[in-house]
Amino acid sequence: DIVMTQSPDSLAVSLGERATINCMSSRSVFYSSNSKNYLAWYQQKPGQPPKLLIYWASTRESGVPDRFSGSGSGTDFTLTISSLQAEDVAVYYCQQYYSSPLTFGGGTKVEIK
Amino acid sequence: QLQLQESGPGLVKPSETLSLTCTVSGGSISSSTYYWGWIRQPPGKGLEWIGSIYYSGSTYYNPSLKSRVIISVDTSKNQFSLNLSSVTAADTAVYYCATLQATVWAWFDPWGQGTLVTVSS
Repeated sequence: DIVMTQSPDSLAVSLGERATINCMSSRSVFYSSNSKNYLAWYQQKPGQPPKLLIYWASTRESGVPDRFSGSGSGTDFTLTISSLQAEDVAVYYCQQYYSSPLTFGGGTKVEIK
Repeated sequence: QLQLQESGPGLVKPSETLSLTCTVSGGSISSSTYYWGWIRQPPGKGLEWIGSIYYSGSTYYNPSLKSRVIISVDTSKNQFSLNLSSVTAADTAVYYCATLQATVWAWFDPWGQGTLVTVSS
C-alpha cells in the first residue's frame, strides 16, 4: 500500500495569512508515461462529506477559489491557501490514486488563530 | 449534475452484515464515464476506501476488507450497494458513496452526504 503522511496534524493561521499543508507518499505517485502525479486534495467541513479541491496534484476543480493551489511531484506535495478566509476552516485530506488500494492522508485541521 | 444518496440501517448488530445502497440521480449508473465507490470514516478519524464498481459489474476491493465486502450494481434502479459481513465495533463509521471520473483509479467527486452506521448489540 502507498502510505500518505500529512503534516502538520493541525495548524492555526490568522485571517488573510497563508496556510501550507504537506503530504508525503511512501512511493512516487508520478506516472512517467503521461507526466502526471496521481494525487488529489479534499476539504471536509464538520458534518459534511469531503469536497474535491484539486486533482492531478495541481489542477483546481471548477468553482474552487484560486486562493487554493496544489504543488509538488513524486512523493512530496503541498496544498496552499494563499489568504485564509473564515470559510476555509476545515480538515484537509490528500489522496493517491496511483495504485490500489486508494489511500488517504490522515488529515490536517486548519483553524483561525 | 450527479447526486448520490446513501440509505440503509443506522444500527447493525455485531457479527451481522451491514447493507447499504447508494442511489444515483442526475445521470445514468450505466454511463461509461463513471466508476462508483464506497468510502468510510470512523467518528473523528480519517478516510478509508472500501471498494469500487463499474456498471458492468467489475469490482475492485481494498485488500484489508476484501474477505468481507461485496459491492454490486443494479442498473435498472440506478443504484449500487455495499454488503460488509461479520461486522464489529471497528466497522462503526460514516459510510459514503462517491463517483470516480472515467477510471477506477481516480479522485472521488461528487460524494453522497454519508450515513452513520453504528455496530452495537
